[in-house]
Parts: sequence; structure tokens; C-alpha cells
Amino acid sequence: EVVLTQSPGTLSVAPGEGATLSCMASHNLKSNLAWYQQKPGQAPRLLIYGASTRATGVPARFSGGGFGTEFTLTISSLQSEDSAVYYCQQYEDWYTFGQGTQLQIK
Amino acid sequence: QVQLQQSGPGLVKPSQSLTITCGISGDSVATNRAAWHWIRQSPSRGLEWLGRTGFRSQWFHDYAVSLKSRLTITVDTPKNQISLRLNSVTPEDTAVYYCVRGPGPYEYGMSFDLWGQGTLVTVSS
Repeated sequence: EVVLTQSPGTLSVAPGEGATLSCMASHNLKSNLAWYQQKPGQAPRLLIYGASTRATGVPARFSGGGFGTEFTLTISSLQSEDSAVYYCQQYEDWYTFGQGTQLQIK
Repeated sequence: QVQLQQSGPGLVKPSQSLTITCGISGDSVATNRAAWHWIRQSPSRGLEWLGRTGFRSQWFHDYAVSLKSRLTITVDTPKNQISLRLNSVTPEDTAVYYCVRGPGPYEYGMSFDLWGQGTLVTVSS
């Protein structure tokens, strides 16, 4: 099973600043990685797929990068509405998720 | 606009079976462009993929190895819906269960792009 390890566990950032979230994979995923945003009481929302392609309607300040075993999600010009838990997910070998990064906007 | 509407019980007793239904509007359950998945989320296990179904000249069903002996996903084409049935539940099966649109066996590069609202199921006597 592919294990995804996300860091940090929690991140607190001021509005207007940027944040970078990390996702490390135990196996080579090529570009088969997605990122999701989940707010309390809601289902996860797809942000990024193919490691770097934004899903429909996702603002340009969300960007994904990486290949193989190391991936990042970068959010620039943070807004209060970006407060959420962010998950990475791989679909190279069936489907597994990381444990999540809690992003707090100060 | 495709939507997934879930329905199911909130409380199930240990050793009983859990059934959740997902109605699909705006698309056909037999589409050959996607598959229909079940994913659950709990504080202890996080997000966990359970299984999928879809149609590619015939119906296919794939299950997570850890649940294969207890899980069945069925399709009702006239009602355009899928169902999840999980047998012999324990408190460990307490979770929010999601119906999700995602890839079938030939949709390389596709992820989970549409989620139902989720159904909280508590297993308790």
C-alpha cells in the first residue's frame, strides 16, 4: 500500500502571506497525485489533480508541484476562507490519502 | 450539473448490516467516463477508500482488500443509483460515508472530482 505522509500537521499563517504544504509518498507516483480541501461539516473538494492541474473553479493562488515521491501544495495571498484541512491523495496504485494538514489563518 | 444525493441510517447496532444509497442526477450510473466510489472518513482511520463500481461493456466492482469479505456495492439502473452494504459492523465502522465520482479502470489521471454530502453512521448498541 502506498503511504502518504503530510507535513506539517498544523500550520498557522497570517492573512496575505503564503503557505506551502508537503506530501511525501512511499512509492513513485509519477504525477498521479491530487489535493483536496475540507472545511468543517463539508465533503472534501478537489483542488489539484495530476500533481499540478487546478480543478475547475479553483483560484490561481492554489498551485501544486512535484513528481515521483515529493509533492507540494502552495497557497499564495492567504484569505480567511482558506482555513481548512488539506489532504493529498494518490491514484497510482489504487487509492490512499494522507493524514491531512490543518491550515489556520491567524 | 451532476449531483450525488445520499440516504441511509444514522445508527446501526453491532453485528448488523449497514446500507447507504446514493442517487445520481445529471449523469447516468452506466456512464463509461467515470466510476462510482465509496469512501469513508473517521478520526481514527482518516479517509479510506472502500470500493467502486462502473460499466465498461459489463458491470465491474472493485473492493478494498481489508473489507472485501464484508462489503458489497450494488447498482439499480432504473433508479440511477448505487448502494453500499457493509455486513457484521463493529464500532470501528463508525464513520462518515461518502459517495464519490472518480476513475474507472481506464480513466488514467482522473481523481475524485464530485462528492456526495456524506452520511454519518454510528455503530452502537
